[in-house]
Amino acid sequence: GIQVEQSPPDLILQEGANSTLRCNFSDSVNNLQWFHQNPWGQLINLFYIPSGTKQNGRLSATTVATERYSLLYISSSQTTDSGVYFCAVTNFGNEKLTFGTGTRLTIIP
Amino acid sequence: DAGVTQSPTHLIKTRGQQVTLRCSPKSGHDTVSWYQQALGQGPQFIFQYYEEEERQRGNFPDRFSGHQFPNYSSELNVNALLLGDSALYLCASSLGGLGYNEQFFGPGTRLTVL
Repeated sequence: GIQVEQSPPDLILQEGANSTLRCNFSDSVNNLQWFHQNPWGQLINLFYIPSGTKQNGRLSATTVATERYSLLYISSSQTTDSGVYFCAVTNFGNEKLTFGTGTRLTIIP
Repeated sequence: DAGVTQSPTHLIKTRGQQVTLRCSPKSGHDTVSWYQQALGQGPQFIFQYYEEEERQRGNFPDRFSGHQFPNYSSELNVNALLLGDSALYLCASSLGGLGYNEQFFGPGTRLTVL
């Protein structure tokens, strides 16, 4: 099956810093989603981005499908940005989301 | 707009028991997928229900079974519980049984098996 790897696994930043999270996948995809998992376990949808670039406030994402990677940018980090960030993909003929290994982001005041 | 809801929030069971978890999809959605998330790992796909049928299944034993009702809500049943079944169980809803449609997750049910 498709493999999804995220980097870095852990990231510790001061409040106000910017960060870039990366997601690499091993096959063509028809769905790519970025999620933020809060301390209570809720997966919050950030972006649905199988290709192209999107922005939502301080967050933006870019997926380069032909090169099989996606990037999540967080600018001017806040403590509420702390948590685990997952990317998840589906590939053609497959209805399930395959999740990456996650990036644990810690923002220090 | 009602989001995905799950019940119960927390559950404690002992080995060998059976458990039923429930999920109501987001308004307008007709597809429900179930995922298991062990501590420190990403969610793993269990199965998907669409048109009241199991459409696709992950690498989980037959102890894991499910059902979808005509109103699109769904249940996950786990028989003969093992300690290793302790996890966060997440339900996701989407539209049309199609993998390329965006999935939305509920708050999860945290199951502890003693």
